[in-house]
Amino acid sequence: ELKVEQNPLFLSMQEGKNYTIYCNYSTTSDRLYWYRQDPGKSLESLFVLLSNGAVKQEGRLMASLDTKARLSTLHITAAVHDLSATYFCAVEYGGTSYGKLTFGQGTILTVHP
Amino acid sequence: NAGVTQTPKFQVLKTGQSMTLQCAQDMNHEYMSWYRQDPGMGLRLIHYSVGAGITDQGEVPNGYNVSRSTTEDFPLRLLSAAPSQTSVYFCASSYQIGYTQYFGPGTRLTVL
Repeated sequence: ELKVEQNPLFLSMQEGKNYTIYCNYSTTSDRLYWYRQDPGKSLESLFVLLSNGAVKQEGRLMASLDTKARLSTLHITAAVHDLSATYFCAVEYGGTSYGKLTFGQGTILTVHP
Repeated sequence: NAGVTQTPKFQVLKTGQSMTLQCAQDMNHEYMSWYRQDPGMGLRLIHYSVGAGITDQGEVPNGYNVSRSTTEDFPLRLLSAAPSQTSVYFCASSYQIGYTQYFGPGTRLTVL
């Protein structure tokens, strides 16, 4: 069974600071997804990482994937209040379970002035 | 494009009732999926489909049925509602697996 663990689960940051959210998973996979969810809203796709060493950046967010360590990181640079949200990673099973995603528990990020 | 639409937005059922949550997309996406989200938990995959006529079970399929007769529609059927099925349900679609997933607005379901 694929397990996906995010840490921290709660993150309180000051504006302007940098921080990293970690996503660890338990079995081999080379497809990982990051999403953002605002309170009471649906999910928005942030990044799709499809190979070892993949790195993608959008604004103040940068995601990377290390399939050998079974680890993805979401790095936040110079946080601003608008980044306050819940961030989820999701890992796709490989092989015969093509298309099956398992989500982490989510990291609730709050950015303070 | 309307994107991914879900109906209804809210629903209250009594234990034992059945109902269908509707999901439609107008982007000609092959991959569609249903998730449920419970407080304090991430999303859990219920069923998914990689194309019309092809469906498979996710992590928590019990009590739910799906079918995919067209590319556009992917309805989720609750056979006999139970209080444990109280949740927010999201439908999502993508061009294929491995591409950006687009989520619908969600259906908030309460089973009494």
